Amino acid sequence: AQSVAQPEDQVNVAEGNPLTVKCTYSVSGNPYLFWYVQYPNRGLQFLLKYITGDNLVKGSYGFEAEFNKSQTSFHLKKPSALVSDSALYFCAVSSPGYSSASKIIFGSGTRLSIRP
Amino acid sequence: NAGVTQTPKFRVLKTGQSMTLLCAQDMNHEYMYWYRQDPGMGLRLIHYSVGEGTTAKGEVPDGYNVSRLKKQNFLLGLESAAPSQTSVYFCASSRNTEAFFGQGTRLTVV
Repeated sequence: AQSVAQPEDQVNVAEGNPLTVKCTYSVSGNPYLFWYVQYPNRGLQFLLKYITGDNLVKGSYGFEAEFNKSQTSFHLKKPSALVSDSALYFCAVSSPGYSSASKIIFGSGTRLSIRP
Repeated sequence: NAGVTQTPKFRVLKTGQSMTLLCAQDMNHEYMYWYRQDPGMGLRLIHYSVGEGTTAKGEVPDGYNVSRLKKQNFLLGLESAAPSQTSVYFCASSRNTEAFFGQGTRLTVV
C-alpha cells in the first residue's frame, strides 16, 4: 500500500533563512513524487515532481526537492525563505505500473510559517 | 482554458439528503480523482477513475458513489448525507504524472 508521512505539522522559519519541509514515503515499485502548495481558501497548486533522472528537482517559486531512494525521502527545500511562502504544503506519491497504482496519495500536510 | 471546474462551490445539506458534486476537466486527461480535506488529515482519496467508464475505491470510499460516463466528467454522489461528511471536496485530473486541482466544494451537513 502507498503511504506518505509528513512528520511536522508546522515549520517556522525566519525570512531569509533556508527552509526544509520533510516527507517520507512507502510504495511498491518506483515512485512518482510530488509537492503541492495550498494558500487559504484555494485549491492545490503543483510545485514540482520527481519522475526519474536527477535526484535534485527544481520547481516553481525557487523551491527544490531531493529524492533519496535509500531513505525513502523527498524533502522540500528553499535556500532563502520569503514571507509569501507561508502556506500549507503537501507531499504526494503515486506508483504507475502497478494495477491500482495510478492513484495519488497525499500526506497530512505541513504548515509553513515565515516570520519577517 | 478552464482546467478543472467543480460545481457547486458551496452547499449546505440536511442529514439524510442526497446530492451530486460535478467535476469537469477540459484537458483530455485519463485519470480523475475525488479527495476530501479535513483539518489535520490532509487530503484523503475517496474514489478515482483511470478512464471513461471505470472507477475504483480510494482510502475512504464509504458513503460515496461515483460515475465516469464521459471522459471529461467525474461525478461524486452522496446518497444519504451524514454530519461526518462535512468537509471540503477537491476534484483533480491527470495524464499520469502531476494532478491538476479544482477550487473545491465546501459541504456542510447539518
